[in-house]
Amino acid sequence: DTAVSQTPKYLVTQMGNDKSIKCEQNLGHDTMYWYKQDSKKFLKIMFSYNNKELIINETVPNRFSPKSPDKAHLNLHINSLELGDSAVYFCASSLPGASEQYFGPGTRLTVT
Amino acid sequence: QQQVKQSPQSLIVQKGGISIINCAYENTAFDYFPWYQQFPGKGPALLIAIRPDVSEKKEGRFTISFNKSAKQFSLHIMDSQPGDSATYFCAASISGGYQKVTFGIGTKLQVIP
Repeated sequence: DTAVSQTPKYLVTQMGNDKSIKCEQNLGHDTMYWYKQDSKKFLKIMFSYNNKELIINETVPNRFSPKSPDKAHLNLHINSLELGDSAVYFCASSLPGASEQYFGPGTRLTVT
Repeated sequence: QQQVKQSPQSLIVQKGGISIINCAYENTAFDYFPWYQQFPGKGPALLIAIRPDVSEKKEGRFTISFNKSAKQFSLHIMDSQPGDSATYFCAASISGGYQKVTFGIGTKLQVIP
């Protein structure tokens, strides 16, 4: 069983479109995260949710809107996609206050 | 501001050699220092971690050395194998609460036969 899963794995879309990435974890964790990994492999946290509540929001454009319908799911919706949004987006989860994070396989977003 | 500085950005090691990746941090409140391993097309996975109450932690061929006074820690991969070829990230965080994990920029390791 996959601990942290993301869909889709690949996403190719045009500038200006709106897209969503879904994440689910079956580890029973309360805390979930979204990271962006750019072409140079740098991992940057975007958001963190604990039990459906937003706890970290790192200066991310408000075109990005996370939504957590329950503590096992954290989705990322992106409006008006731009070329600079092209990256790999990783979902992760952890126990509350724990530093060990479990990452999903990533979603490679390409904006043309 | 890069709170965790990692070097080198890339590393080529002969099979059987020792791979060494170094990290330095600034925030003295950090109390958890993990290393993540990422293979191409996969998400990062926790490899080994250390807390500042010990100076060294070893798991198989992987060892973390920690120098609290210098605010530095390093990953040593003994007897490096081609299967170790991956990107390695050091990281640091503060335990408890909802502190974020701060990652280094990553080191791409290539182990050549």
